[in-house]
Amino acid sequence: TQLLEQSPQFLSIQEGENLTVYCNSSSVFSSLQWYRQEPGEGPVLLVTVVTGGEVKKLKRLTFQFGDARKDSSLHITAAQPGDTGLYLCAGSGGGKLIFGQGTELSVKP
Amino acid sequence: GAVVSQHPSRVICKSGTSVKIECRSLDFQATTMFWYRQFPKQSLMLMATSNEGSKATYEQGVEKDKFLINHASLTLSTLTVTSAHPEDSSFYICSAKSDRGQETQYFGPGTRLLVL
Repeated sequence: TQLLEQSPQFLSIQEGENLTVYCNSSSVFSSLQWYRQEPGEGPVLLVTVVTGGEVKKLKRLTFQFGDARKDSSLHITAAQPGDTGLYLCAGSGGGKLIFGQGTELSVKP
Repeated sequence: GAVVSQHPSRVICKSGTSVKIECRSLDFQATTMFWYRQFPKQSLMLMATSNEGSKATYEQGVEKDKFLINHASLTLSTLTVTSAHPEDSSFYICSAKSDRGQETQYFGPGTRLLVL
């Protein structure tokens, strides 16, 4: 069974701080997606990483896929209150998405 | 592009009744759709995979007779919660995978079900 361990599960920081969320697995994924979800809404796709070692940037968000395609990280620079939400990583495996536990991020002004 | 809608967005029903939730891919064809359940502050739990024109594949522990899934066309899948009980109250989310062979799933906005 493929599992994705996401950490931390909860993160409360002040505006302007940096943070990193990690997703780790013992399995190899063909691709990995990061989503952001706000309360009462569905997840919104932020990025898909496919190639081992790949780094993608989306404004203040930097996503990295591990060389072995077993892990990924999301780094947010100078977090803002608008970044508050649930961040989910999900790996593609067997035609399905395997989700991490999620990271509940709260950025206080 | 890649918009997925769900209807209704919220539903309140009495215990023992059945509720149908629709999931539509609006601007693409989806050979595969997925149904998830989510509890507050938790991640998504896959319930079943729905393929157009064939029976759904249910995850372990999900009752197929309670959660009926129909994927009658390339743009529509429905989830029917039969004889709903309060413990079925949850946030149900569908997603759709494009028929272009990509792995990315596009999620609907979710349906909040409350069973009284």
